Amino acid sequence: EPEVTQTPSHQVTQMGQEVILRCVPISNHLYFYWYRQILGQKVEFLVSFYNNEISEKSEIFDDQFSVERPDGSNFTLKIRSTKLEDSAMYFCASSEALGTDTQYFGPGTRLTVL
Amino acid sequence: QKEVEQNSGPLSVPEGAIASLNCTYSDRGSQSFFWYRQYSGKSPELIMSIYSNGDKEDGRFTAQLNKASQYVSLLIRDSQPSDSATYLCAVHNTGGGNKLTFGTGTQLKVEL
Repeated sequence: EPEVTQTPSHQVTQMGQEVILRCVPISNHLYFYWYRQILGQKVEFLVSFYNNEISEKSEIFDDQFSVERPDGSNFTLKIRSTKLEDSAMYFCASSEALGTDTQYFGPGTRLTVL
Repeated sequence: QKEVEQNSGPLSVPEGAIASLNCTYSDRGSQSFFWYRQYSGKSPELIMSIYSNGDKEDGRFTAQLNKASQYVSLLIRDSQPSDSATYLCAVHNTGGGNKLTFGTGTQLKVEL
């Protein structure tokens, strides 16, 4: 069964450093998302992406965040200057279509900012 | 602010019993509703989706939707210890980006 994959599974970085989290969505899906979950808190929407542009972004997704689809398979989330409060699980998701379509989540990347 | 509310639990049920999980949402225009299961340290895994008022059954799981009351529920019949997890209610909000808004989740414990 096709699935969303994410790398790395765990990333440790120093405050102020840039990190890039990578995702490979399900191959026939056209819509891509990033969510995050701070330990013990709810899953929060960051951004959705379609046709090489951002469809919607949350208040969390400020100028330090960016997303890119650098090729036909990868979808990346870049955090330019990490802060302690960026420590969280970051989940990539994809869906085949908009509207009612189900979003399938990857296994996540645990980001630890020291 | 569009909200999704769930009782955080823990909800404890004996093995073989029915577990009932509830969720309310604030965005009256929402059209799609999802239940995800999340084991500790893992990603959300889709259990069920529901789009129309009424019940939808899939194996041991039944989702119930009442849009007038802005209420979604999940019933798990014949609960098993492997069902012990956090159950997340997610609502697809109106708007252009297909954003899902999640509740905090209800922790379910199925006891032997």
